[in-house]
Amino acid sequence: DSGVTQTPKHLITATGQRVTLRCSPRSGDLSVYWYQQSLDQGLQFLIQYYNGEERAKGNILERFSAQQFPDLHSELNLSSLELGDSALYFCASSVGQDSYEQYFGPGTRLTVT
Amino acid sequence: GNSVTQMEGPVTLSEEAFLTINCTYTATGYPSLFWYVQYPGEGLQLLLKATKADDKGSNKGFEATYRKETTSFHLEKGSVQVSDSAVYFCALSERSGNNNDMRFGAGTRLTVKP
Repeated sequence: DSGVTQTPKHLITATGQRVTLRCSPRSGDLSVYWYQQSLDQGLQFLIQYYNGEERAKGNILERFSAQQFPDLHSELNLSSLELGDSALYFCASSVGQDSYEQYFGPGTRLTVT
Repeated sequence: GNSVTQMEGPVTLSEEAFLTINCTYTATGYPSLFWYVQYPGEGLQLLLKATKADDKGSNKGFEATYRKETTSFHLEKGSVQVSDSAVYFCALSERSGNNNDMRFGAGTRLTVKP
């Protein structure tokens, strides 16, 4: 158990809809990272927040957004969903803003039908 | 752009065999390199890292050396165990301002048989 929790575990929704994925980092970690893992694209870094502020951006679509709240939990919002957004979404956390020792959560499996 | 290429799996070995998983990268600057491991049903775990050329990362009997001349970061272990069965990902990270270009290889599935 990495100490990172993600909810929900599974999510099934229809095209065009909007969903919110939630992540709680390990106690004491200030950074949260979001990743997408799909069969065709592999594992992709989406975005990082550090202590409530956006720290780094990767391959995140404009339809996707994230935020980190004062209690350090983070939410990833996915809107206007397409079939191709079906994937496993991982959250990871680390102590610092440039730490490579990231602790991954178990992931949320999103299925868009 | 930056990219990571690792050997395709699956790889099947007998216990105590020698393991090599090849990884090469393309980068515009001087990235940091990593190996992550993903056990069934779990998220990724950092296995080892190297932040500059000629650095050797090591953990749990696994090793990888950052070779700038060959742009490689091959993962090795002298004697694998059944418990090493997992998917292994090679990755690089290169920061530029507020952008973090983090790239992962496609993953190599390792199965170790008793």
